[in-house]
Amino acid sequence: EDQVTQSPEALRLQEGESSSLNCSYTVSGLRGLFWYRQDPGKGPEFLFTLYSAGEEKEKERLKATLTKKESFLHITAPKPEDSATYLCAVQAGDNTDKLIFGTGTRLQVFP
Amino acid sequence: DAGVTQSPTHLIKTRGQQVTLRCSPKSGHDTVSWYQQALGQGPQFIFQYYEEEERQRGNFPDRFSGHQFPNYSSELNVNALLLGDSALYLCASSLLAVGDTQYFGPGTRLTVL
Repeated sequence: EDQVTQSPEALRLQEGESSSLNCSYTVSGLRGLFWYRQDPGKGPEFLFTLYSAGEEKEKERLKATLTKKESFLHITAPKPEDSATYLCAVQAGDNTDKLIFGTGTRLQVFP
Repeated sequence: DAGVTQSPTHLIKTRGQQVTLRCSPKSGHDTVSWYQQALGQGPQFIFQYYEEEERQRGNFPDRFSGHQFPNYSSELNVNALLLGDSALYLCASSLLAVGDTQYFGPGTRLTVL
């Protein structure tokens, strides 16, 4: 069964303290791995799509990387406005577009 | 460029009632997917609509049904509401030909009493 696991469940950082969030997956035929940011009570906001092992993408203080078993979301010098839940999702197999999500990492950045 | 919109924002119903949620996709998108997100959990796939037909379905009972209109907008209907149906319902749109990134709306918060 396709599965996505995120760790840690929650992370508290001081402003400027860099860290990484992990997303490990077990799927048959990965087609894409997606990172979203979700603020409380809001819909997920798209951040990155990664398609193959070794691929990296960056946006401001965020950098996403992908291996054959996991993805990392690196946050460099975070600011309080980076506080949110970060969701990882995969698309796997043929003839399906459904996203399989992890339960997310809740990030809090303190000034 | 308008993003994905959903209505209503919040909804309160009682057990046994029926509810209809609405979604307008991002401009240029032709595919709509619906997800249910319980508190503290990741979104769970309900179904996807393309060309006014249900293309894929997740592990949800037949009480959950949908519709897509010629203008690509969509509705999610839930019959015989249960307490466990309380959740944030998310609509996501995409372009089938590309088949990847799904963009989400703000969601509808459904509370069943």
